[in-house]
Amino acid sequence: YDLTQPPSVSVSPGQTASITCSGDKLEKKYVSWYQQKAGQSPVLVIYQDSGRPVGIPERFSGSNSGNTATLTISGTQAMDEADYYCQTWDTNSASEVFGGGTKLTVL
Amino acid sequence: QGQLVESGGGVVQPGRSLRLSCAASGFTFSNYAMHWVRQAPGKGLEWVAVVSNDGSNKFYADSVKGRFTVSRDNSKNTLFLHMNSPRPDDTAVYYCAALFYCNTSICYVPPADWGQGTLVTVSS
Repeated sequence: YDLTQPPSVSVSPGQTASITCSGDKLEKKYVSWYQQKAGQSPVLVIYQDSGRPVGIPERFSGSNSGNTATLTISGTQAMDEADYYCQTWDTNSASEVFGGGTKLTVL
Repeated sequence: QGQLVESGGGVVQPGRSLRLSCAASGFTFSNYAMHWVRQAPGKGLEWVAVVSNDGSNKFYADSVKGRFTVSRDNSKNTLFLHMNSPRPDDTAVYYCAALFYCNTSICYVPPADWGQGTLVTVSS
């Protein structure tokens, strides 16, 4: 099972950034999103498509419909510049799957 | 919020073995399935293996199947990854993690952030 993300997304400070993750019938699976800043470990920012862990700012939101899950960052800040990975469990192969990652640049 | 601390990384020669450990604290370790995820230098995240909360079920990525073994000791709140016959392309930072999942009756939100990872370098 493959998850496809755009390699890079650029956004201006204060604008909305959308990062997509595509997979076959993805809406039937739960998707998580991870943020990884340079030199740091990944941090969970969205689970179960749209759940937000304690401590994650409200500007982070998620959705999942059809073949595409989307991570949306509203009012993007410079501190949001990072790599973002989507992830899901594939029952058929009994394996976790990560997308290739998207580098978010805040210009 | 719980904590995960990996250890055991280092330089290992191809074909030798290495055991990684992950010490968990601050949450009920025996309630959660646990994973190993790796990241090669400059690359993305790659899932490696998972062990169920009681250790009875284990699944592996095709890239490590037959070479790596995941296990856990719930009495010591510790997760292990036994790396047999490592190859140069196994060189990576290895993270232990509890990932979000649902069984038939309940969903489990990760109780801890990922650890800092431990670097494994496979080289002669």
